[in-house]
Amino acid sequence: EIVMTQSPATLSVSPGERATLSCRASQSVSSNLAWYQQKPGQAPRLLIYGASTRATGIPARFSGSGSGTEFTLTISSLQSEDFAVYYCQQYNNWPPRTFGQGTKVEIK
Amino acid sequence: QLQLQESGPGLVKPSETLSLTCTVSGGSISSSSYYWGWIRQPPGKGLEWIGSIYYSGSTYYNPSLKSRVTISVDTSKNQFSLKLSSVTAADTAVYYCARADVMIVVVIPTPTAFDIWGQGTMVTVSS
Repeated sequence: EIVMTQSPATLSVSPGERATLSCRASQSVSSNLAWYQQKPGQAPRLLIYGASTRATGIPARFSGSGSGTEFTLTISSLQSEDFAVYYCQQYNNWPPRTFGQGTKVEIK
Repeated sequence: QLQLQESGPGLVKPSETLSLTCTVSGGSISSSSYYWGWIRQPPGKGLEWIGSIYYSGSTYYNPSLKSRVTISVDTSKNQFSLKLSSVTAADTAVYYCARADVMIVVVIPTPTAFDIWGQGTMVTVSS
């Protein structure tokens, strides 16, 4: 099973600042990596797939990079609606499909 | 616009079987372009993939749950279902159904990211 490790667990950022979230895989997942955003009481929303491709309707301030075992989600200028929990997920190997434990982006 | 909606009991007794259905509207579950999956989230915790099914009926389960999970598809009703047997309090969670795009890996259709999710349904295991 591929273990996905996200860091930090919590990120405190001021509105308008840049946020950088990390996701590490225990073995290579190529570029088969997705990022999701989840707000309280809501289902996750797909942000990024293929490590760097934005999903439909996702603002350009969200960008993904990386391949192999190291991945980054960057939010260039945090808006109030971006404060949420972010999960990475690999879909290179299965079963099982595995998610990271999440990074909470909170207001500083 | 494709939508997914989970339905089923919100309370299940320990040792019984949890049964949920996901109804797909605005599109066909029989498309060869998608997998259909179940993901759960215990209160205050992260996401756990339970399993996925292709329209043909091919299923893949999380090894940690495999002995207790059955996922099936009913193309005539445009639905797919989850059954989880011998539940305990540890199975208390929000259960989501979701759609995943397909990529071909050595001629085998394989799901990618989950691009459309249901709103989720809370299931509590308690006597």
